[in-house]
Amino acid sequence: DAGVIQSPRHEVTEMGQEVTLRCKPISGHNSLFWYRQTMMRGLELLIYFNNNVPIDDSGMPEDRFSAKMPNASFSTLKIQPSEPRDSAVYFCASKQGAVTEAFFGQGTRLTVV
Amino acid sequence: GNSVTQMEGPVTLSEEAFLTINCTYTATGYPSLFWYVQYPGEGLQLLLKATKADDKGSNKGFEATYRKETTSFHLEKGSVQVSDSAVYFCALMDTGRRALTFGSGTRLQVQP
Repeated sequence: DAGVIQSPRHEVTEMGQEVTLRCKPISGHNSLFWYRQTMMRGLELLIYFNNNVPIDDSGMPEDRFSAKMPNASFSTLKIQPSEPRDSAVYFCASKQGAVTEAFFGQGTRLTVV
Repeated sequence: GNSVTQMEGPVTLSEEAFLTINCTYTATGYPSLFWYVQYPGEGLQLLLKATKADDKGSNKGFEATYRKETTSFHLEKGSVQVSDSAVYFCALMDTGRRALTFGSGTRLQVQP
């Protein structure tokens, strides 16, 4: 298996623009997570899905952020409009089962200028 | 709520030195505990895990024991290598929330 695949690996955008990050989980995994990593706040859980349904979105910073999982093999995280403070590395992770390890993608480094 | 506390870094060691990275946690019930490692420019990789009290997780010479009485999961390695230089994250997953809660990470630098 190719692992969790995220795209793009790097994104540079101007403040106010819409940004869409993409994730393809490992085939057969039924849970998907979006995390954000910054120097100041470390790794923060933004949202997670179980069987394509959002279970906990309490970590989503504000209404500018939205996430979807239209099917078991694809998820998006959208920021509209983007702001410089959104600059971070965004990780997607997936897992199968209740209490098992999560597998992480290589992340998308977002820079908003 | 759940939380994980790790020792501040960076930790700088010479090759073949003994490593300890402290990790304590706060959680309801009996969470599963994990150590993840992040190499520069990469995502997180699972290093080891333990799912119940007194379990010892081990991998690549690293070990950690789930200590319920002290709510700790300290990472140890008897002899570090330059290739072990990375950021190490302690994490927990409780049976209710089923999402990982991470510590702040500890950067390890191993010098030849």
